[in-house]
Amino acid sequence: EAQVTQNPRYLITVTGKKLTVTCSQNMNHEYMSWYRQDPGLGLRQIYYSMNVEVTDKGDVPEGYKVSRKEKRNFPLILESPSPNQTSLYFCASSLMGGRNTGELFFGEGSRLTVL
Amino acid sequence: GENVEQHPSTLSVQEGDSAVIKCTYSDSASNYFPWYKQELGKRPQLIIDIRSNVGEKKDQRIAVTLNKTAKHFSLHITETQPEDSAVYFCAASIRGNKLVFGAGTILRVKS
Repeated sequence: EAQVTQNPRYLITVTGKKLTVTCSQNMNHEYMSWYRQDPGLGLRQIYYSMNVEVTDKGDVPEGYKVSRKEKRNFPLILESPSPNQTSLYFCASSLMGGRNTGELFFGEGSRLTVL
Repeated sequence: GENVEQHPSTLSVQEGDSAVIKCTYSDSASNYFPWYKQELGKRPQLIIDIRSNVGEKKDQRIAVTLNKTAKHFSLHITETQPEDSAVYFCAASIRGNKLVFGAGTILRVKS
């Protein structure tokens, strides 16, 4: 089954404790992206990747890191989480990015609470 | 920065009526405009999209129109049903390689 898988789905952590949210897709998509969803603010892009070893900042990259060592995986790293990073996070992928971008397939979301 | 404005933020309609959600964008080079539906507790899913070389696209009860001159696009849902109740997001491609989303519209269909 074609899918985007995120883990963990739910996490409560404390300020400063490093965490990683994993994202994996099995559709051989080139483009992957992370979004955070907050009430009234829609989906804001954190980082995106056009292909392996190619990553770039989105609109709200502060406090986050990503890597794209393999095509299928795009982990989101919070080196020192803070309470303002409490949010619902979505990973998404599409066949291509850039001017030929198309449908984004979203993971199920990861709800993160930082105390 | 480049952004996408979406209106209204909430919309209540009677079952069977039509619903219209509007978005404006700022990047004149934007060429891709998708609409996503997010049901409560679920992930966003694409319902329809349009590219800049097309003015209108229909898929059963939903349609999207694009006015490139005015830089706005709209989602039209006809004969609304209770299962259309959800949050709807518009988006626009920005600077060729980013997809920027609007803030979302909560649609409630009252039966």
